[in-house]
Amino acid sequence: EVQVLESGGGLVQPGGSLRLSCAASGFTFSRYAMSWVRQAPGKGLEWVSAITASDDIRSYADSVKGRFTISRDNSKNTLYLQMNSLRAEDTALYYCAKMQPTSGRDYVDVWGKGTTVTVSS
Amino acid sequence: DIQMTQSPSTLSASVGDSVTITCRASQSISRWLAWYQQKPGKAPKLLIYDASSLERGVPSRFSGSGSGTEFTLTMSSLQPDDFATYYCQQYNSYWTFGQGTKVEIK
Repeated sequence: EVQVLESGGGLVQPGGSLRLSCAASGFTFSRYAMSWVRQAPGKGLEWVSAITASDDIRSYADSVKGRFTISRDNSKNTLYLQMNSLRAEDTALYYCAKMQPTSGRDYVDVWGKGTTVTVSS
Repeated sequence: DIQMTQSPSTLSASVGDSVTITCRASQSISRWLAWYQQKPGKAPKLLIYDASSLERGVPSRFSGSGSGTEFTLTMSSLQPDDFATYYCQQYNSYWTFGQGTKVEIK
């Protein structure tokens, strides 16, 4: 079964850092782009960041550019999100997502259950 | 940046109804659009990709159509399990979600 499982969320003070991890199983991780999507409490979905299968392209939403870094370790089947200079508005449930290619584009086809990040003093 | 606008924001319907949700893109995205269903406390679930392709295992009462800037998700004969929030997402240029449409019981 294709699965992705997030970890690493928690409570952090404004200005602090946190690293999220996402363990993938049930598919050949190194062949697929991956993404992070977040959802603030009671709000909609917001794409955060994406990384290609070979790690040659990393993309970020403007709201996190310069503060968050996406990375992957294909030998460990793991995706990461390093979050620095955290703000209250980064408080959200963070989903790891597997991307499926289609004619040169990628859409999300598998979602994890999410890990909660709370930024508060 | 491509903006996605869904309408309506909330939709009240009864079991057995046919309902349609609309998603509009701020510029052409060809057919690069997906639809997701999300229930409270759960992760989103893929329903439709490439505007009209049904994800494996999704009931055939769900259908998608459109291209360019206007897209629709139609649910024929609404079932109790279908009351949820639905999101469209474009993947033509980066990724952007619509604000969501909550389908509630009338």
